[in-house]
Amino acid sequence: AQSVTQPDIHITVSEGASLELRCNYSYGATPYLFWYVQSPGQGLQLLLKYFSGDTLVQGIKGFEAEFKRSQSSFNLRKPSVHWSDAAEYFCAVGILIQGAQKLVFGQGTRLTINP
Amino acid sequence: GAGVSQTPSNKVTEKGKYVELRCDPISGHTALYWYRQSLGQGPEFLIYFQGTGAADDSGLPNDRFFAVRPEGSVSTLKIQRTERGDSAVYLCASSLYGVEQFFGPGTRLTVL
Repeated sequence: AQSVTQPDIHITVSEGASLELRCNYSYGATPYLFWYVQSPGQGLQLLLKYFSGDTLVQGIKGFEAEFKRSQSSFNLRKPSVHWSDAAEYFCAVGILIQGAQKLVFGQGTRLTINP
Repeated sequence: GAGVSQTPSNKVTEKGKYVELRCDPISGHTALYWYRQSLGQGPEFLIYFQGTGAADDSGLPNDRFFAVRPEGSVSTLKIQRTERGDSAVYLCASSLYGVEQFFGPGTRLTVL
């Protein structure tokens, strides 16, 4: 069955420090991979997505992620975090269903930023 | 343009009652999805509509849950005989051509 694992439930980093959030997936075919961010009281916002091609994908707000098929991973990175990046981050794999995609999410990583 | 909207934003009900949650997708989006997010968890897929028909309802937990989209736009998620375990945030998303899903702010359902 398809699944997504985010090993870190909560991460704290200092403002200006680099960030890496881990994501591992289980899926039999070529995966469609996503990272979403959820701020308190807000809906999910798409940060970036991987469908095919270049394994390093750039997203909004200075985020990037790298798809590594051999490790079944799709880790999210940012070179220097800002206080406004504090939020919950979700990795997801897209399962094709009749022309659309059903998303299977990980349980999320809560990011806290120290000033 | 307007994003996905959901009403109500909060709903408190008593065990055993019936509730309806509404989703207004982005205009022109043919695909509509419902997810449920329990506290401390990621969203879980419930049902997907393509146009007016439910193309995949494999995520509905039991027959107390039902969703409709009669005119291919607005959708309503209906929960009968609510239970405390139904308490969660219910998220709606829409997409065009099944690529990027745009999420609404969710409806927080509390069953007392």
